[in-house]
Amino acid sequence: EAGVAQSPRYKIIEKRQSVAFWCNPISGHATLYWYQQILGQGPKLLIQFQNNGVVDDSQLPKDRFSAERLKGVDSTLKIQPAKLEDSAVYLCASSPLSRRQAYEQYFGPGTRLTVT
Amino acid sequence: RKEVEQDPGPFNVPEGATVAFNCTYSNSASQSFFWYRQDCRKEPKLLMSVYSSGNEDGRFTAQLNRASQYISLLIRDSKLSDSATYLCVVNAGGYNKLIFGAGTRLAVHP
Repeated sequence: EAGVAQSPRYKIIEKRQSVAFWCNPISGHATLYWYQQILGQGPKLLIQFQNNGVVDDSQLPKDRFSAERLKGVDSTLKIQPAKLEDSAVYLCASSPLSRRQAYEQYFGPGTRLTVT
Repeated sequence: RKEVEQDPGPFNVPEGATVAFNCTYSNSASQSFFWYRQDCRKEPKLLMSVYSSGNEDGRFTAQLNRASQYISLLIRDSKLSDSATYLCVVNAGGYNKLIFGAGTRLAVHP
């Protein structure tokens, strides 16, 4: 079974530039998550989709971050404009459909973003 | 107060040692608990779930104390391959939302 795919794996941009990350979840997984992991910290949830609807974006900095999941499959996360503090690994994860149940989340390899 | 707090680490232990990691969580309504493992520059992967009665998976034993809001992971007979960061994870309620601790780094040496 193919895992969660992400691209690009690495990205270096200057502050105030824009960047976009792409994620393809495991086939059949209805729930998709985007996390930000800053060096030395655990992953922090940015946004969670159930199919193509947002169920939690409470920690997404909406003035600069946006995400979409068209057709309930692939997803993109965008940062515009980037700040130095956005330097982190952006992890995408997916899990089967959940309604107040805890399922294992499967993570992609992440995109390492460096903002200079 | 952080929602999930872990031992700061790092833990440096010799092969064969027994090591224990502790974790506390702040949300008393949390229902599901996990340990994830993250190798250097890799993605997190589920190590094991933590059940109320405690559970064991080979050399790994997880315990949960709901009254104290405390979770532990015990690794017996440490192997070099156990070197990684161990993330304590708590389900924050509806829709499988997970809260991750900052992780405890383990380094097992020969």
